[in-house]
Amino acid sequence: DTAVSQTPKYLVTQMGNDKSIKCEQNLGHDTMYWYKQDSKKFLKIMFSYNNKELIINETVPNRFSPKSPDKAHLNLHINSLELGDSAVYFCASSQGTGRYNGYTFGSGTRLTVV
Amino acid sequence: QQQVKQSPQSLIVQKGGISIINCAYENTAFDYFPWYQQFPGKGPALLIAIRPDVSEKKEGRFTISFNKSAKQFSLHIMDSQPGDSATYFCAASSSNDYKLSFGAGTTVTVRA
Repeated sequence: DTAVSQTPKYLVTQMGNDKSIKCEQNLGHDTMYWYKQDSKKFLKIMFSYNNKELIINETVPNRFSPKSPDKAHLNLHINSLELGDSAVYFCASSQGTGRYNGYTFGSGTRLTVV
Repeated sequence: QQQVKQSPQSLIVQKGGISIINCAYENTAFDYFPWYQQFPGKGPALLIAIRPDVSEKKEGRFTISFNKSAKQFSLHIMDSQPGDSATYFCAASSSNDYKLSFGAGTTVTVRA
């Protein structure tokens, strides 16, 4: 049973396209996150939802739009993809702020924009 | 800007040796300091965490040392094994903060 699952695992697409990444967690956590990991492995938070409410919205282009239909799902839609969007995108979840049991990350979605 | 500075960027250690990774922070509101381990093709996973009311925490071969006055903390991997080869991230957050700020990561390679 995968705790945090992301689909797809790999995504290759052309510049200007629109794409979505889906995330689901079966841990019963109330908080979910999107992190971007660049080619130098730096992890940067993009968004966070707690009980379906957006609580963190970092400086991310408007082309990125998260959606949380329920506590177990957090999707990421990206419009007008650019070369610089190429990265690995990680979904994560936690109970509350994650200060007791940490974050559980998915295996990532490697996005390549050509 | 990075709120947690991590060094070195990479290190190579012989099997059985000690790996040491250092992190420093400026935000005095930070009061939770976890370390995450990431294997290639996988997401980061929580390894060990410490709060500033203790100066050291040990779990198996992994030890966190914490120096509150210097605003520094470090991860020691004792008796390093080839299976420990991974990227290690330090992180920090403050109470009631849903944002975990990560260091830049250290790639550890353990040679057999």
